[in-house]
Amino acid sequence: DAGVIQSPRHEVTEMGQEVTLRCKPISGHNSLFWYRQTMMRGLELLIYFNNNVPIDDSGMPEDRFSAKMPNASFSTLKIQPSEPRDSAVYFCASSLAYQETQYFGPGTRLLVL
Amino acid sequence: DAKTTQPNSMESNEEEPVHLPCNHSTISGTDYIHWYRQLPSQGPEYVIHGLTSNVNNRMASLAIAEDRKSSTLILHRATLRDAAVYYCILRDVDNQGGKLIFGQGTELSVKP
Repeated sequence: DAGVIQSPRHEVTEMGQEVTLRCKPISGHNSLFWYRQTMMRGLELLIYFNNNVPIDDSGMPEDRFSAKMPNASFSTLKIQPSEPRDSAVYFCASSLAYQETQYFGPGTRLLVL
Repeated sequence: DAKTTQPNSMESNEEEPVHLPCNHSTISGTDYIHWYRQLPSQGPEYVIHGLTSNVNNRMASLAIAEDRKSSTLILHRATLRDAAVYYCILRDVDNQGGKLIFGQGTELSVKP
């Protein structure tokens, strides 16, 4: 079975550019989560969706970050404009329901120069 | 949010049991104790969870103290592939909407 798929796996961009990270959850999963991991702050929840609806975006750092889930099989996390402090590994996870076990993707390693 | 305390790092020898402790003295009655681990350059993966009783699965065992203020993840025979950061997380699905709040975890190294 395919797990959570994230693309790209690595992204290098310059400050000010728009960055779009993509996630395909496990088929049949109704909840999707976006996390960010840095050395300084560890693993933080940014936002999560239940049945394609954003439920809690309190972890989104600022207006430069936005996330969408247009359908059950696709989500994006967009940063516009990007800044060097956004450099991190971004993980997507999905679960059957919000209270169930979360399955994480391999992550996207983002470097903003 | 109820918090957990774990040692920053632990060492183990291959094929020996490993006991990873976690303190959670402010745990509430509706908090489940979850363990996830993160292997190098990978996303976290679920290991085990429990509420009050000890739990076993193919990966590990979870021993929960009677007062629930602490728990221990037990790897019965550590392998080199078990080297990872292990996170102990309290999860109240009723009041936190399913959030997993990761702390710093315990970095486990396994020596051959």
